Amino acid sequence: GAGVSQSPSNKVTEKGKDVELRCDPISGHTALYWYRQSLGQGLEFLIYFQGNSAPDKSGLPSDRFSAERTGGSVSTLTIQRTQQEDSAVYLCASSLNPALSYNSPLHFGNGTRLTVT
Amino acid sequence: LAKTTQPISMDSYEGQEVNITCSHNNIATNDYITWYQQFPSQGPRFIIQGYKTKVTNEVASLFIPADRKSSTLSLPRVSLSDTAVYYCLVGMDTGRRALTFGSGTRLQVQP
Repeated sequence: GAGVSQSPSNKVTEKGKDVELRCDPISGHTALYWYRQSLGQGLEFLIYFQGNSAPDKSGLPSDRFSAERTGGSVSTLTIQRTQQEDSAVYLCASSLNPALSYNSPLHFGNGTRLTVT
Repeated sequence: LAKTTQPISMDSYEGQEVNITCSHNNIATNDYITWYQQFPSQGPRFIIQGYKTKVTNEVASLFIPADRKSSTLSLPRVSLSDTAVYYCLVGMDTGRRALTFGSGTRLQVQP
């Protein structure tokens, strides 16, 4: 079946502009994560959605970052007034409802490579 | 959150068995251990998951000692295509929402 889909795959933007990154999780997956990965580095947690619960935003690096998830499916990560240090690959992952499928593994998309010039 | 420690990098040759060990001294009772593989320009991909003892699938084996303070991912007879970064992840989603990845181990397989 279809995996996690992210768009765009690449985004180049000028410093100060706003960007929106989209994630389509696997159908039926209620948990959705956003991670950031800088060149050659590990994964940095940003935000987590689970069903209708309040999202865990503890990983967002600043108030320029926000995310929403509409209808429990598609998610959008928005970065306002982009800075050069925001350049990274932004990865989205989804998993089954952890309450129903104990410790379901994460399924990742291939990410959006963001370059801020 | 259980913190994990892995070697930064490892080198091997085709056909050899590779063992990557992850330390997680403060693993909680309900935590599972999951390993992911990441190729360049791709998201991480699930390899194997376990709770205790040994788990084997078509790709790898996972060895977990009785105290669960470490785990070892074993890749039999590696090939060039196994060159990737391998992440050990310890935790469970239920009751804790942020799963934290460590820095990973960069495996380089040479001919």
